Amino acid sequence: AQSVTQLGSHVSVSEGALVLLRCNYSSSVPPYLFWYVQYPNQGLQLLLKYTTGATLVKGINGFEAEFKKSETSFHLTKPSAHMSDAAEYFCAVTHTGRRALTFGSGTRLQVQP
Amino acid sequence: NAGVTQTPKFQVLKTGQSMTLQCAQDMNHNSMYWYRQDPGMGLRLIYYSASEGTTDKGEVPNGYNVSRLNKREFSLRLESAAPSQTSVYFCASRETGNTGELFFGEGSRLTVL
Repeated sequence: AQSVTQLGSHVSVSEGALVLLRCNYSSSVPPYLFWYVQYPNQGLQLLLKYTTGATLVKGINGFEAEFKKSETSFHLTKPSAHMSDAAEYFCAVTHTGRRALTFGSGTRLQVQP
Repeated sequence: NAGVTQTPKFQVLKTGQSMTLQCAQDMNHNSMYWYRQDPGMGLRLIYYSASEGTTDKGEVPNGYNVSRLNKREFSLRLESAAPSQTSVYFCASRETGNTGELFFGEGSRLTVL
């Protein structure tokens, strides 16, 4: 069975500071990993994904994530937070042969002025 | 570009009432999904449909039924609503395959009294 753990249900950073949102996964087969963002009262939008190849993945809005197989992690980072980054972020996992994604419990990011 | 459209956006039911959430996508995707989102629990898969004419249970299917009416439409029915079904429901779709992006609707907020 697959699972995703997001450490920290709430993260608060100052505007301009580094954003680091943590995601660890459990999978017995090579995973496909995703980060989604949800703004208030909206559906989820894809930020970035890792399937195969380069382990450092760049996404929209300046976000990136690195797949580390040895650590079973896929942490999301952004060098400098903007007020507009305030949202909830979800990590998700799937793999070949599985039709649906398994989501983590989410991390709400607050950006302080 | 409508993408994934869900109706209704808000609904209040009394315990024991029934209702159907409608979902339609205009991206010609084969796979469609219903998730529920509850605070601190992320998104949990209720049912999915890998292609027209097929449906499969997810991790929390009890109390729900689904119909894949055609390639575009995938409805979720609550036959006898319970307060535990108070949640935000998201429909999503994607192309066949495991690496494709999930496209989400804006959600349907359901309250069962």
